[in-house]
Amino acid sequence: SYLLTQPPSVSVAPGKTASIPCGGDNIGSKTVQWYQQNPGQPPVLVIYYDNKRPSGIPERFSGSTSGNTATLTISRVEVGDEADYYCQVWDSSSGQVVFGGGTKVTVL
Amino acid sequence: EVLLVQSGAEVRKTGESLKISCKISGYAFATYWIAWVRHMPGKGLEWMGTIFPADSDTRYSPSFKGQVIISADKSINTAYLQWNSLKASDTSIYYCARLSASSLFLIDYWGQGTLVTVSS
Repeated sequence: SYLLTQPPSVSVAPGKTASIPCGGDNIGSKTVQWYQQNPGQPPVLVIYYDNKRPSGIPERFSGSTSGNTATLTISRVEVGDEADYYCQVWDSSSGQVVFGGGTKVTVL
Repeated sequence: EVLLVQSGAEVRKTGESLKISCKISGYAFATYWIAWVRHMPGKGLEWMGTIFPADSDTRYSPSFKGQVIISADKSINTAYLQWNSLKASDTSIYYCARLSASSLFLIDYWGQGTLVTVSS
C-alpha cells in the first residue's frame, strides 16, 4: 500500500517560515491535500490540489510538490498556527485514500 | 450552513455492538459522498471508508473491511458507522466528513467527532 512519511515534529520561531515535508513515491504525480488539526477539534482543510487555498485560509499557507516530496509552507508563523498537520493523497493504483502520520508544529 | 452533527461519546465493553451516527443538514445529503475517519489516541488519521447515500454505494479501506459497517438512511439525512463486536483497539475518535463534489478524497466539512471507549 502507498505510504506517506512526515516528520513527527517541526519547531519554528514566530515570524519565521515553517516547512513541513510529506514524502511518498512519486508524490509529485498525485494531488496532495493538507489538513490542520488542533487538539480536541476536527481537522480543517488548508491546502487542496497541491497548492490551492480554501476560502478563509490565510495566504501565509502554501503548498508545493516535486518528485517524491510535497511541502506545506507556513510563512510568518503565528502562535495560532501551532497544530498537527496531515498530508493526504489518493493513490490511483490501489484506489485508496492515504494520510501521512502527521507533523506537530511547535511555535517557540 | 453545512453541518455534520455526530452522536455523543460511547463507552462499551469488548464484544459488544455499537452504532454511531452522523446527522447532516444544510445540503442535499444524498448527492455527496460521506467518509468515516479514525483518529486513535496519539496516532494519525486513518481513512475507513465512504458511502454515497443516494444508492448506498459503499467502499472500505482494506484495513477496515469486515471490521465495521458503513450505512446511510437518506430519509433522515443520517450516516452510520457500526461494529458488531468491539475490540479494545477500537477505542478512538471517529469523524464523519463530507467529500467535495469535485473529488472522492477531498474533505470539505467534518463532524465534531465521536469518542468511542472500549474496555474489557
